Amino acid sequence: AQSVTQLDSHVSVSEGTPVLLRCNYSSSYSPSLFWYVQHPNKGLQLLLKYTSAATLVKGINGFEAEFKKSETSFHLTKPSAHMSDAAEYFCVVSPNTGNQFYFGTGTSLTVIP
Amino acid sequence: NAGVTQTPKFRVLKTGQSMTLLCAQDMNHEYMYWYRQDPGMGLRLIHYSVGEGTTAKGEVPDGYNVSRLKKQNFLLGLESAAPSQTSVYFCASSYSLAGFNNEQFFGPGTRLTVL
Repeated sequence: AQSVTQLDSHVSVSEGTPVLLRCNYSSSYSPSLFWYVQHPNKGLQLLLKYTSAATLVKGINGFEAEFKKSETSFHLTKPSAHMSDAAEYFCVVSPNTGNQFYFGTGTSLTVIP
Repeated sequence: NAGVTQTPKFRVLKTGQSMTLLCAQDMNHEYMYWYRQDPGMGLRLIHYSVGEGTTAKGEVPDGYNVSRLKKQNFLLGLESAAPSQTSVYFCASSYSLAGFNNEQFFGPGTRLTVL
């Protein structure tokens, strides 16, 4: 069975400090993993994805994520938060079989000036 | 390229009314999806399509129907709307399901309220 757990529903950081958004997954197969960002009243935009190549994945806007198979984790990080990073973030897993993507429940990131 | 577009952007229905949401993509993607987004629940898959003329049920299909008569369009229908269908609906498409080009591209969403 496939599932995604985003460990924090809300994260607050000060501008200029590091961001860590946590995601754990379970998958019966070697999965693809994604992080999407959703700004208020907007659609979802792909930040980055892992598809069995390098385990450290770099995405847009300075975000990166590391695939750790032993920990079944795919945490999203950024060294220095910017006000424009305030948004909802979704971790998504695709088992690479079947026809579905599985979404976490989202983490709302607040950036404090 | 416009990417994925959705119409309408907003709609208010009364209980029992019907409507169709239209999703269009210009990326020649085979796979298309309809999701609903509710607070605290992330996105849940309603129906999806793996190619023109095909549709399949997702996680929460009850009360919805879909059609994929043309590769670029994916329609979501509500035959008799209920207040529980108040939600934000997102359409997405992808080139493949596995491998390098399997990321989904999302439309801007349709905010539906059923009174």
